[in-house]
Amino acid sequence: GEDVEQSLFLSVREGDSSVINCTYTDSSSTYLYWYKQEPGAGLQLLTYIFSNMDMKQDQRLTVLLNKKDKHLSLRIADTQTGDSAIYFCAERQTGANNLFFGTGTRLTVIP
Amino acid sequence: DGGITQSPKYLFRKEGQNVTLSCEQNLNHDAMYWYRQDPGQGLRLIYYSQIVNDFQKGDIAEGYSVSREKKESFPLTVTSAQKNPTAFYLCASSILEYNEQFFGPGTRLTVL
Repeated sequence: GEDVEQSLFLSVREGDSSVINCTYTDSSSTYLYWYKQEPGAGLQLLTYIFSNMDMKQDQRLTVLLNKKDKHLSLRIADTQTGDSAIYFCAERQTGANNLFFGTGTRLTVIP
Repeated sequence: DGGITQSPKYLFRKEGQNVTLSCEQNLNHDAMYWYRQDPGQGLRLIYYSQIVNDFQKGDIAEGYSVSREKKESFPLTVTSAQKNPTAFYLCASSILEYNEQFFGPGTRLTVL
């Protein structure tokens, strides 16, 4: 079965880097995604990484994938108060038609 | 302006009543999905549809029903058989091949 795990909470000071971690159990994952959810809103796709990559950078966001350990992380550089939200990782497995989501990590940025 | 719309944003119903949540997309996406979100839990898939007039059960389909009569629309009915219907419901759509899902703003259903 599928099991995607994340820590529930993370607090950082404004200007510091945030690192949100995710572990998954299915080695057949093809794509891994990071979504952001602001209060009372839907999910916004931030970035994704294909399983044959180990890193992807997009402005302040860096995604690292350790396929051996089935560990995915999202680093946000120079974290701002507007980054406060819940962050979900999700995986798509080979042949699957849907995504499996983690529990979400609530990031709080302290001014 | 392309996107996914869900209505209403907030919905209140009495216990024992069926209620239908709307989801419309004008992105020309083939696939559409319904998720349920509860506090401290990830999104759980209720139903999904890859093509008009066809849909499949997700992980928690009991007590829910859907229809896909048009490509743009995928309404979800929460029936009285759903034991704990109060939740935040999210609709999403995607191009089938890529499965990069785009989400609507959600509907918060409260059953009194």
